[in-house]
Formats: sequence, C-alpha cells, structure tokens
Amino acid sequence: DGGITQSPKYLFRKEGQNVTLSCEQNLNHDAMYWYRQDPGQGLRLIYYSQIVNDFQKGDIAEGYSVSREKKESFPLTVTSAQKNPTAFYLCASKLFAEAFFGQGTRLTVV
Amino acid sequence: GENVEQHPSTLSVQEGDSAVIKCTYSDSASNYFPWYKQELGKGPQLIIDIRSNVGEKKDQRIAVTLNKTAKHFSLHITETQPEDSAVYFCAALYTGTASKLTFGTGTRLQVTL
Repeated sequence: DGGITQSPKYLFRKEGQNVTLSCEQNLNHDAMYWYRQDPGQGLRLIYYSQIVNDFQKGDIAEGYSVSREKKESFPLTVTSAQKNPTAFYLCASKLFAEAFFGQGTRLTVV
Repeated sequence: GENVEQHPSTLSVQEGDSAVIKCTYSDSASNYFPWYKQELGKGPQLIIDIRSNVGEKKDQRIAVTLNKTAKHFSLHITETQPEDSAVYFCAALYTGTASKLTFGTGTRLQVTL
C-alpha cells in the first residue's frame, strides 16, 4: 500500500533530551512537510523540503532540525532548545497540488 | 505570503441539517483549494478540492464553492450524519511554483442526534 508512515505514534521525552520523529513515504513524492498541531489549533509549518538534500524553514522552525538524505525519508529532530515541544506532529508529502498526511506522532515531555 | 482565515471555529448542527464552513485567502495567485477532515488522534484526510478554473464542485453530500473575485471559498455538507463530526481545515496553494499549503485554523463540527 502506498502512503506515509510516521513512527512512533506516541513518544515521551525527558526535558533536555533531543528526540527524532520518523516520516517515511513510498508515494514517490518530491515534497515533504512537517507540521505542529497544538490542542484546538491549526497546522503550523515547521520545515519543508522540495527535493532531496534541500529544505527550508517554515513558520516555527526554532528548536527543530531536519534532514532529507533520501527521497522517501524526512526525519524531524526536536532539540532541547525547543521550549514547549509537547504537541501532535504531522508529516505530509505532496506531488504537484495534493498533499497526503501521516497519522501523526504525539510527543509528550515529562 | 498567503494567509487563510476560516470561520466558524466551532459549529454544531442537528443530524440531517446542512453545515457550511467559510474561508478567505489573501494571495490572488492561489489556484488550488483543498479541504481536509481530521478525526480525533489522526492525520488530516483530503475530502474535496477545487481549482481556480472551476466555481463549484460536488461529491455526494459534500460540495465546495469558490469566488475568485472575493477570494473566498466554502465547504457545504448536506444531510449531516454523526460520522461527519470532526475538525475540518481549508487550505490554499499556488501550484505554479514549489510552494507550501497554507491552512486555515480549523472548524470543529459536531453533529448531534
């Protein structure tokens, strides 16, 4: 089946630790995106990548980092510099116009 | 950059009634307008989209209308059912360049029995 897989579904992190969220797609899409969603809020763009080995900051990139070494993979690292990391993180990929989302990772800082 | 506003933030309707969600966008170059449905704890799913060369599009109980002059578009759900309860997001995009989707802030729709 084609689609976007995010893992893990739930993630707990201690304050001061970095953590990496996985996003893999087998749709052969060039563009991939990371969004953050807080309770009752919309989708805010963290980082996006239009092509392998290239990525751009979104609206709330501070405290996050990404890499795009392979077309199918776009991992997001939440660093200790992110002051309020507890949120629901969504990965998406896009070919031309239509975007497809993964099922999300809920990150909780304990 | 593009800015998308969405109203209302919450909407409660009785089963069988219609629901309408409205969005406005700021960038006149935007030419693609999708609508996503997000169920609790899941990722958004595309339910319908419209391109700027079309004024209206229907898919069973769901329809979307676009007014390019006024820069607004709306989602219409008829004969609502409890399973329509979810958060709905509108978005706008210009497909001519490598660009990103800009989302509205979402509408929480509750269909009551």
